[in-house]
Amino acid sequence: AQSVSQHNHHVILSEAASLELGCNYSYGGTVNLFWYVQYPGQHLQLLLKYFSGDPLVKGIKGFEAEFIKSKFSFNLRKPSVQWSDTAEYFCAVNAATGRRALTFGSGTRLQVQP
Amino acid sequence: EPEVTQTPSHQVTQMGQEVILRCVPISNHLYFYWYRQILGQKVEFLVSFYNNEISEKSEIFDDQFSVERPDGSNFTLKIRSTKLEDSAMYFCASTSMEGLNTEAFFGQGTRLTVV
Repeated sequence: AQSVSQHNHHVILSEAASLELGCNYSYGGTVNLFWYVQYPGQHLQLLLKYFSGDPLVKGIKGFEAEFIKSKFSFNLRKPSVQWSDTAEYFCAVNAATGRRALTFGSGTRLQVQP
Repeated sequence: EPEVTQTPSHQVTQMGQEVILRCVPISNHLYFYWYRQILGQKVEFLVSFYNNEISEKSEIFDDQFSVERPDGSNFTLKIRSTKLEDSAMYFCASTSMEGLNTEAFFGQGTRLTVV
C-alpha cells in the first residue's frame, strides 16, 4: 500500500521568504507524484506533477519540486512566496501502472504574512 | 478551462437520512472518483468508476455507499443512512484516458454536515 507523509503541518512565512515543503512517500513500485493546492474556499488545483524524466519539475506560479528517488521524496519549493500563496498544499501519489487512485498526504497549511 | 462541478456546495442532513451528492465530470473524461476529507484529516480515496462500474474502492466505501452515472453526464455518490462520522468534505474528480499518466481534476467539493 502507498502512504504519503508531509511533516510540516503549518508553516508561517513572511512575503519574499523561500519555501520548502517536505513530502515523502512509501511504495514498492514506480509512482507518479503530484502537488495540489487548495486556496481558501476553492477546489484542489494541480500545481505540478512528475511522471518520468527530469526529476526537477516546474509548475504554475513559480513552484517547483524535485523527485529524489533514493530518498522517496518530492519536496515542493518556491524561492520567494507571496501573500497570495496562502493555502493548503497536498502531496499525492499514485501507482504508475494499475491503480489510479491518489493517496494524499495530510496537507501543509501555508500562511504568508504581508 | 473545463472543470468538474459539484452540487450542492453544502448539505446538512439528519442522521439516518439518505443523501445524494452530485458531480458533473469533465465531458471527455472516462475515469471518475470520489474522495472525502474529514475536518482536520487527510483527503481519502473512496471509490473509482470506469465504464459504468466500480473499478476500485477503499475500505471506507462500505455497503451504505453507492455510486451511479445515471445519465451520461452526472456522477453521483449516495449515502444510504448517514452517520455523524460521515460529516466531511466530499470531492469528485475525473481523469482522461490519455495514457496512464494523467492528473486528476477536482471539483470544489460538497461539505456534508450530519446532525
